[in-house]
Amino acid sequence: QVQLVESGGGLVQPGRSLRLSCAASGFTLNSYVMHWVRQAPGKGLEWVAAISYDENYKYYPDSVKGRLTISRDISNKTLYLQLNSLRAEDTAVYYCARTIAVAGRGWFDHWGQGTLVTVSS
Amino acid sequence: DIQMTQSPSSLSASVGDRVTITCRASQSISTYLNWYQQKPGRAPYLLIYAASSLQSGVPSRFSGSGSGTDFTLTISSLQAEDFATYFCQQSYSTPLTFGGGTKVEI
Repeated sequence: QVQLVESGGGLVQPGRSLRLSCAASGFTLNSYVMHWVRQAPGKGLEWVAAISYDENYKYYPDSVKGRLTISRDISNKTLYLQLNSLRAEDTAVYYCARTIAVAGRGWFDHWGQGTLVTVSS
Repeated sequence: DIQMTQSPSSLSASVGDRVTITCRASQSISTYLNWYQQKPGRAPYLLIYAASSLQSGVPSRFSGSGSGTDFTLTISSLQAEDFATYFCQQSYSTPLTFGGGTKVEI
């Protein structure tokens, strides 16, 4: 069955970097658009990155553009999120999720369990 | 960016009640509206996609309706396992955006 398992979260100081991973199984990674969605403690959901089937297109909201980078390794069936210049407001649970399309049929039908990133000195 | 506004932000209900949650988009999004359920400490779970299509495995007491800017999630007869937070999400355009959530409490 479809599984998404995130890892790489932890406590990090402001200004530092972190790379999150999401191991995918049960489906073909390059047949879906893959995303990262985050949730600050006690808050709502915020979409922060997406990568197209063929990796040719990457999408970010303006709030994180330039600091977050999404990528994937098809051979290792893994999605990544590089977080740079971390700020306190980046503290959140980070989920990976998949959709059939970036927009239109862009509903998240499978999610990982999430990995917590805490930015604090 | 398309803003998604949910109401109410929280509600109290009893088992067996009919519950309605609304979601309003800041511009027309056709039927590109999806609903999720989230329980504490868990990832969101897809309930309804494309405004009114029930995701496989989701109980039929959940239903969705609407188009354009106004949408509704209805739980016809609330069950104990339905106490959770519900989010709407627009997939009309990037950035993909979510409503602020509706917490359904006992």
